[in-house]
Amino acid sequence: EAGVAQSPRYKIIEKRQSVAFWCNPISGHATLYWYQQILGQGPKLLIQFQNNGVVDDSQLPKDRFSAERLKGVDSTLKIQPAKLEDSAVYLCASSLDRAGANVLTFGAGSRLTVL
Amino acid sequence: GNSVTQMEGPVTLSEEAFLTINCTYTATGYPSLFWYVQYPGEGLQLLLKATKADDKGSNKGFEATYRKETTSFHLEKGSVQVSDSAVYFCALSQTSGTYKYIFGTGTRLKVLA
Repeated sequence: EAGVAQSPRYKIIEKRQSVAFWCNPISGHATLYWYQQILGQGPKLLIQFQNNGVVDDSQLPKDRFSAERLKGVDSTLKIQPAKLEDSAVYLCASSLDRAGANVLTFGAGSRLTVL
Repeated sequence: GNSVTQMEGPVTLSEEAFLTINCTYTATGYPSLFWYVQYPGEGLQLLLKATKADDKGSNKGFEATYRKETTSFHLEKGSVQVSDSAVYFCALSQTSGTYKYIFGTGTRLKVLA
């Protein structure tokens, strides 16, 4: 089966610019996650979708970050305007459902550098 | 709230040495527990999991036992190889509510030939 697809793999922008990341989960996976992984740290959950509804966005900086999952499939994560501290790898993951024992399948990540 | 605490790295071992990476958690209810591994240049992938107390997850020679009394899920391997060099993440998933999935900070393992 195809894995979780993410693009772009790398992005370099100036601070205050905007950027968007795209994720295509595994077909049939109802739950989609966006994580932020800063160098040397573990993944931090930004937002979790169940189909096209938001389940948890408590750690999403909503003044600059937004995310959507139209039709319960693909998702985009946007940052506007970007700050230096947003430099990180943005990981998308999906799971069959959100039940507790589910395994996450991760994409390769999108590495963002903000100058 | 729920959290996962891992031992700090890097952990440097010689080939065939015994490995332990400590992981403890704080959670309400009865979470599921996981170890994920991130090899250089790759994404995170599941290594093993356990869904209830006293369960033992195992894969590729790695093992971890879900200890509810000590809220721990330590990763062990009897004889490490150079190819095991990677970053290891302990994680938990709530089994109710929002089913939030939380990761530890990761432990880098370096195995020397």
